[in-house]
Amino acid sequence: EVQLVESGGGLVQPGGSLRLSCAASGFAVSNNYMSWVRQAPGKGLEWVSFIYSGGSTYYADSVKGRFTISRDNSKNTLYLQMHSLRAEDTAVYYCARVLDRGVTPKTFDYWGQGTLVTVSS
Amino acid sequence: QSVLTQPPSVSAAPGQKVTISCSGSSSNIGNNYVSWYQQLPGTAPKLLISDNNNRPSGIPDRFSGSKSGTSATLGVTGLQTGDEAVYYCGTWDGGLSAWVFGGGTKLTVL
Repeated sequence: EVQLVESGGGLVQPGGSLRLSCAASGFAVSNNYMSWVRQAPGKGLEWVSFIYSGGSTYYADSVKGRFTISRDNSKNTLYLQMHSLRAEDTAVYYCARVLDRGVTPKTFDYWGQGTLVTVSS
Repeated sequence: QSVLTQPPSVSAAPGQKVTISCSGSSSNIGNNYVSWYQQLPGTAPKLLISDNNNRPSGIPDRFSGSKSGTSATLGVTGLQTGDEAVYYCGTWDGGLSAWVFGGGTKLTVL
């Protein structure tokens, strides 16, 4: 059974850093595209980042240069390192497994339950 | 302002049918697969439709998807109160090299 469990959220001051983790089971993160998607309170879904099975990474313009997606194949875990956090980064962060069409993402087929990040002084 | 345009809300009575539209452009919907996600209150999104019109295992056939040109549509028949949720469309945008979601449509079953 595919499962994704996020952790690492919490309260952080503006300008601070936080690392989110997403522990996967039932499949290998190394063999799949993986993604982070966030949802600000009362708002819609916003794609944040991809890491492809080959290791290429992609970011939304809103987080480029501040966030880094990575994975640890030995722990079967996906990460999102977040720096220079801003109030507008406050959101529930979901990790998701992504089906691909060979060169581009196609579908987010499994989602975790999410972890809340609050950026406030 | 989302790249993909969805109506903010739709409503219908139990047992009736409703459709939710998702409008984009040639750089996204026009040349890529569309997927639909259901987000029940207080829960994570869940895949409802993949590859424009495929239902994953466990999704009732009351839910259907279609795509024509630069628009996609989610259809829900035999509405139930349990279908009340926010529905999102999503696809890859080759021009932006980014994944894009619609703004979401809140379905109310009256």
